[in-house]
Amino acid sequence: SQELEQSPQSLIVQEGKNLTINCTSSKTLYGLYWYKQKYGEGLIFLMMLQKGGEEKSHEKITAKLDEKKQQSSLHITASQPSHAGIYLCGAENTGGFKTIFGAGTRLFVKA
Amino acid sequence: SQTIHQWPATLVQPVGSPLSLECTVEGTSNPNLYWYRQAAGRGLQLLFYSVGIGQISSEVPQNLSASRPQDRQFILSSKKLLLSDSGFYLCAWTAGNTGELFFGEGSRLTVL
Repeated sequence: SQELEQSPQSLIVQEGKNLTINCTSSKTLYGLYWYKQKYGEGLIFLMMLQKGGEEKSHEKITAKLDEKKQQSSLHITASQPSHAGIYLCGAENTGGFKTIFGAGTRLFVKA
Repeated sequence: SQTIHQWPATLVQPVGSPLSLECTVEGTSNPNLYWYRQAAGRGLQLLFYSVGIGQISSEVPQNLSASRPQDRQFILSSKKLLLSDSGFYLCAWTAGNTGELFFGEGSRLTVL
Protein backbone atom coordinates (compact mmCIF):
# COMPACT_ATOMS: atom_id res chain seq x y z
CA SER A 1 0.00 0.00 0.00
CA GLN A 2 1.09 3.54 -0.62
CA GLU A 3 2.68 5.51 2.20
CA LEU A 4 3.45 9.19 2.59
CA GLU A 5 6.34 10.37 4.72
CA GLN A 6 6.57 14.00 5.78
CA SER A 7 9.60 15.84 7.07
CA PRO A 8 10.29 17.44 9.37
CA GLN A 9 7.80 16.24 11.96
CA SER A 10 7.84 19.64 13.61
CA LEU A 11 9.36 22.99 12.89
CA ILE A 12 9.86 26.16 14.90
CA VAL A 13 10.73 29.27 12.90
CA GLN A 14 11.10 32.94 13.66
CA GLU A 15 8.50 35.17 12.12
CA GLY A 16 9.66 36.39 8.74
CA LYS A 17 11.79 33.35 7.96
CA ASN A 18 11.26 31.00 5.04
CA LEU A 19 10.64 27.29 5.50
CA THR A 20 10.13 24.10 3.49
CA ILE A 21 8.13 20.97 4.27
CA ASN A 22 8.64 17.79 2.29
CA CYS A 23 6.34 14.91 1.41
CA THR A 24 7.72 11.70 -0.08
CA SER A 25 5.59 8.92 -1.49
CA SER A 26 6.44 5.23 -1.68
CA LYS A 27 4.65 5.08 -5.06
CA THR A 28 4.04 7.38 -8.00
CA LEU A 29 1.68 10.20 -7.10
CA TYR A 30 -1.40 10.67 -9.27
CA GLY A 31 -2.73 13.55 -7.25
CA LEU A 32 -1.05 15.29 -4.35
CA TYR A 33 -2.92 17.52 -1.95
CA TRP A 34 -1.73 19.91 0.71
CA TYR A 35 -3.98 20.71 3.63
CA LYS A 36 -3.58 22.88 6.69
CA GLN A 37 -5.09 22.06 10.07
CA LYS A 38 -5.37 24.46 12.93
CA TYR A 39 -4.95 22.66 16.20
CA GLY A 40 -8.16 20.88 17.19
CA GLU A 41 -10.01 21.73 14.00
CA GLY A 42 -10.76 20.22 10.63
CA LEU A 43 -8.50 20.41 7.59
CA ILE A 44 -8.53 23.23 5.08
CA PHE A 45 -7.54 22.53 1.48
CA LEU A 46 -4.55 24.51 0.22
CA MET A 47 -3.78 23.18 -3.24
CA MET A 48 -3.61 20.15 -5.49
CA LEU A 49 -0.79 19.09 -7.81
CA GLN A 50 -1.10 16.50 -10.53
CA LYS A 51 1.54 16.98 -13.18
CA GLY A 52 5.23 16.32 -12.74
CA GLY A 53 7.05 19.61 -12.32
CA GLU A 54 3.83 21.45 -11.53
CA GLU A 55 4.08 24.36 -9.13
CA LYS A 56 1.23 26.28 -7.53
CA SER A 57 1.09 29.25 -5.20
CA HIS A 58 -1.47 30.59 -2.78
CA GLU A 59 -0.54 33.84 -1.11
CA LYS A 60 2.89 33.14 0.43
CA ILE A 61 2.66 29.37 0.15
CA THR A 62 4.14 27.55 -2.86
CA ALA A 63 3.97 23.82 -3.52
CA LYS A 64 5.77 21.81 -6.17
CA LEU A 65 5.53 18.23 -7.41
CA ASP A 66 8.82 16.82 -8.68
CA GLU A 67 9.23 15.45 -12.21
CA LYS A 68 9.17 11.83 -11.07
CA LYS A 69 5.96 12.49 -9.15
CA GLN A 70 7.11 10.89 -5.93
CA GLN A 71 7.93 13.95 -3.86
CA SER A 72 6.35 17.27 -3.15
CA SER A 73 7.59 20.28 -1.24
CA LEU A 74 5.67 23.11 0.37
CA HIS A 75 7.49 26.39 0.83
CA ILE A 76 6.35 29.31 2.95
CA THR A 77 7.95 32.67 2.35
CA ALA A 78 8.24 35.24 5.15
CA SER A 79 6.34 33.15 7.68
CA GLN A 80 3.74 34.76 9.93
CA PRO A 81 2.03 33.58 13.12
CA SER A 82 -1.07 32.87 11.00
CA HIS A 83 0.89 30.15 9.21
CA ALA A 84 1.16 28.11 12.40
CA GLY A 85 -0.63 24.77 12.38
CA ILE A 86 -0.27 21.26 11.04
CA TYR A 87 0.44 20.79 7.35
CA LEU A 88 -0.58 17.47 5.86
CA CYS A 89 0.03 16.06 2.44
CA GLY A 90 -2.52 13.68 0.98
CA ALA A 91 -2.54 11.44 -2.06
CA GLU A 92 -5.17 9.61 -4.04
CA ASN A 93 -4.71 5.88 -4.09
CA THR A 94 -4.54 4.21 -7.46
CA GLY A 95 -8.06 2.84 -7.16
CA GLY A 96 -9.62 6.23 -6.56
CA PHE A 97 -12.18 7.11 -3.90
CA LYS A 98 -9.63 7.24 -1.12
CA THR A 99 -7.14 9.83 0.01
CA ILE A 100 -4.34 8.79 2.33
CA PHE A 101 -2.36 11.26 4.42
CA GLY A 102 1.08 11.73 5.81
CA ALA A 103 1.61 12.14 9.55
CA GLY A 104 1.78 15.93 9.22
CA THR A 105 4.31 18.62 10.02
CA ARG A 106 3.64 20.83 13.02
CA LEU A 107 4.70 24.40 12.35
CA PHE A 108 5.24 26.93 15.12
CA VAL A 109 6.02 30.54 14.24
CA LYS A 110 7.62 32.71 16.92
CA ALA A 111 6.62 36.33 16.87
CA SER B 1 -23.27 26.42 -0.66
CA GLN B 2 -22.24 23.10 0.80
CA THR B 3 -21.67 22.60 4.51
CA ILE B 4 -20.69 19.67 6.67
CA HIS B 5 -21.43 19.28 10.35
CA GLN B 6 -20.46 16.64 12.84
CA TRP B 7 -21.35 16.16 16.46
CA PRO B 8 -20.78 15.97 19.28
CA ALA B 9 -17.65 18.13 19.26
CA THR B 10 -16.31 16.60 22.44
CA LEU B 11 -17.08 13.31 24.10
CA VAL B 12 -15.71 11.58 27.20
CA GLN B 13 -16.79 7.96 27.51
CA PRO B 14 -15.86 5.05 29.80
CA VAL B 15 -14.31 1.90 28.41
CA GLY B 16 -17.00 -0.52 27.27
CA SER B 17 -19.63 2.11 26.59
CA PRO B 18 -21.26 2.62 23.16
CA LEU B 19 -20.45 5.39 20.73
CA SER B 20 -22.34 7.28 18.08
CA LEU B 21 -20.84 10.14 16.08
CA GLU B 22 -22.97 11.76 13.44
CA CYS B 23 -22.07 13.68 10.31
CA THR B 24 -24.38 15.44 7.88
CA VAL B 25 -23.70 17.24 4.64
CA GLU B 26 -25.93 19.95 3.21
CA GLY B 27 -26.10 21.56 -0.21
CA THR B 28 -25.02 18.57 -2.31
CA SER B 29 -26.35 15.19 -3.32
CA ASN B 30 -24.75 11.76 -3.53
CA PRO B 31 -21.47 12.79 -1.90
CA ASN B 32 -18.69 10.34 -1.13
CA LEU B 33 -18.39 10.31 2.66
CA TYR B 34 -15.40 9.48 4.82
CA TRP B 35 -14.51 8.92 8.47
CA TYR B 36 -10.90 9.56 9.47
CA ARG B 37 -9.25 9.27 12.87
CA GLN B 38 -6.30 11.33 14.03
CA ALA B 39 -4.56 9.91 17.08
CA ALA B 40 -2.19 12.05 19.12
CA GLY B 41 1.00 12.68 17.17
CA ARG B 42 -0.15 10.62 14.21
CA GLY B 43 -1.54 11.36 10.79
CA LEU B 44 -5.05 10.82 9.52
CA GLN B 45 -6.11 7.21 9.32
CA LEU B 46 -8.95 6.42 6.96
CA LEU B 47 -11.53 4.31 8.78
CA PHE B 48 -14.54 4.07 6.47
CA TYR B 49 -15.80 5.50 3.24
CA SER B 50 -19.13 5.36 1.46
CA VAL B 51 -20.06 6.05 -2.15
CA GLY B 52 -23.80 5.67 -1.63
CA ILE B 53 -26.63 4.87 0.77
CA GLY B 54 -25.98 1.60 2.56
CA GLN B 55 -22.57 1.19 0.90
CA ILE B 56 -19.75 1.10 3.44
CA SER B 57 -16.12 0.18 2.86
CA SER B 58 -13.95 -0.53 5.89
CA GLU B 59 -10.26 0.22 5.76
CA VAL B 60 -9.08 -0.95 9.15
CA PRO B 61 -10.38 -3.92 11.17
CA GLN B 62 -11.52 -2.67 14.54
CA ASN B 63 -14.45 -2.48 16.87
CA LEU B 64 -15.94 0.50 15.03
CA SER B 65 -18.66 0.43 12.40
CA ALA B 66 -20.21 2.96 10.07
CA SER B 67 -23.62 3.37 8.52
CA ARG B 68 -25.17 5.61 5.90
CA PRO B 69 -28.92 5.56 6.44
CA GLN B 70 -29.53 8.59 4.26
CA ASP B 71 -27.72 10.15 1.31
CA ARG B 72 -26.12 12.92 3.34
CA GLN B 73 -25.82 11.26 6.73
CA PHE B 74 -22.85 9.23 7.91
CA ILE B 75 -22.69 7.66 11.37
CA LEU B 76 -19.73 6.16 13.20
CA SER B 77 -20.59 3.69 15.95
CA SER B 78 -19.16 1.30 18.45
CA LYS B 79 -20.86 -1.17 20.77
CA LYS B 80 -18.00 -1.20 23.28
CA LEU B 81 -15.28 1.43 23.31
CA LEU B 82 -11.62 0.62 23.95
CA LEU B 83 -8.97 2.94 25.34
CA SER B 84 -7.29 2.86 21.93
CA ASP B 85 -10.40 4.39 20.34
CA SER B 86 -9.49 7.77 21.81
CA GLY B 87 -8.67 10.36 19.16
CA PHE B 88 -9.92 13.12 16.95
CA TYR B 89 -12.52 11.90 14.46
CA LEU B 90 -13.05 13.78 11.25
CA CYS B 91 -15.86 13.39 8.77
CA ALA B 92 -15.26 14.51 5.19
CA TRP B 93 -17.00 14.54 1.84
CA THR B 94 -16.08 14.88 -1.79
CA ALA B 95 -18.17 15.25 -4.90
CA GLY B 96 -16.43 12.58 -6.96
CA ASN B 97 -13.97 9.75 -6.68
CA THR B 98 -11.07 12.20 -6.63
CA GLY B 99 -10.61 15.78 -5.68
CA GLU B 100 -10.64 18.09 -2.74
CA LEU B 101 -11.97 16.73 0.55
CA PHE B 102 -14.16 18.98 2.68
CA PHE B 103 -13.80 18.29 6.37
CA GLY B 104 -16.09 18.77 9.32
CA GLU B 105 -15.00 20.45 12.52
CA GLY B 106 -14.02 17.18 14.18
CA SER B 107 -15.14 15.23 17.25
CA ARG B 108 -12.68 14.67 20.05
CA LEU B 109 -13.27 11.36 21.83
CA THR B 110 -11.58 10.49 25.10
CA VAL B 111 -12.09 6.98 26.41
CA LEU B 112 -11.28 6.58 30.12
